[in-house]
Amino acid sequence: AQSVTQLDSHVSVSEGTPVLLRCNYSSSYSPSLFWYVQHPNKGLQLLLKYTSAATLVKGINGFEAEFKKSETSFHLTKPSAHMSDAAEYFCVVRNYNQGGKLIFGQGTELSVKP
Amino acid sequence: GAVVSQHPSRVICKSGTSVKIECRSLDFQATTMFWYRQFPKQSLMLMATSNEGSKATYEQGVEKDKFLINHASLTLSTLTVTSAHPEDSSFYICSAREGGGSYNEQFFGPGTRLTVL
Repeated sequence: AQSVTQLDSHVSVSEGTPVLLRCNYSSSYSPSLFWYVQHPNKGLQLLLKYTSAATLVKGINGFEAEFKKSETSFHLTKPSAHMSDAAEYFCVVRNYNQGGKLIFGQGTELSVKP
Repeated sequence: GAVVSQHPSRVICKSGTSVKIECRSLDFQATTMFWYRQFPKQSLMLMATSNEGSKATYEQGVEKDKFLINHASLTLSTLTVTSAHPEDSSFYICSAREGGGSYNEQFFGPGTRLTVL
């Protein structure tokens, strides 16, 4: 079975400093992994996805994530936080055993201080 | 990217009434649509998978008679919350998957905030 664990429920950074949102996955297969962002009272927007190509994945808005099989991790990073990055972030894995359903992590709330 | 819309974006209703939420894929055909529920400060919980022209598949613990899903066309799925009660108040998000492949990308709607008084 596939699952994801987001290690931090809340992360606070200062504007201009790096962002690190941690995600560990569990999968019997080579996983497909995603990061989504959700701004307050909005739907989800895909930031980036890993589907067994390059292990370093670049996404929108300066975000990137690195797939590390040895560590079963897919952490999301950004070199310099902007105020507009404040939102909820979800790490997601696709469940191959159930028709490709998406399995969501619990989410990490990112706060950005001026 | 592909666009998914939901209507209404916000609805307030009295206890005991039914509420219908529409989910549309605007520029692509979606054989499969998904309905999620999200409580405040929590993750998305999959309620059901809706396939065009067939009955929806509900996740364990979701009452199919309470949450009626209809996917009558390749661009429209509806969720009807029947006899709504305050505990049904939540943020409902739909998602549409382009084409027929199980591993095609899913696109998410903006969500519908339901408040039951």
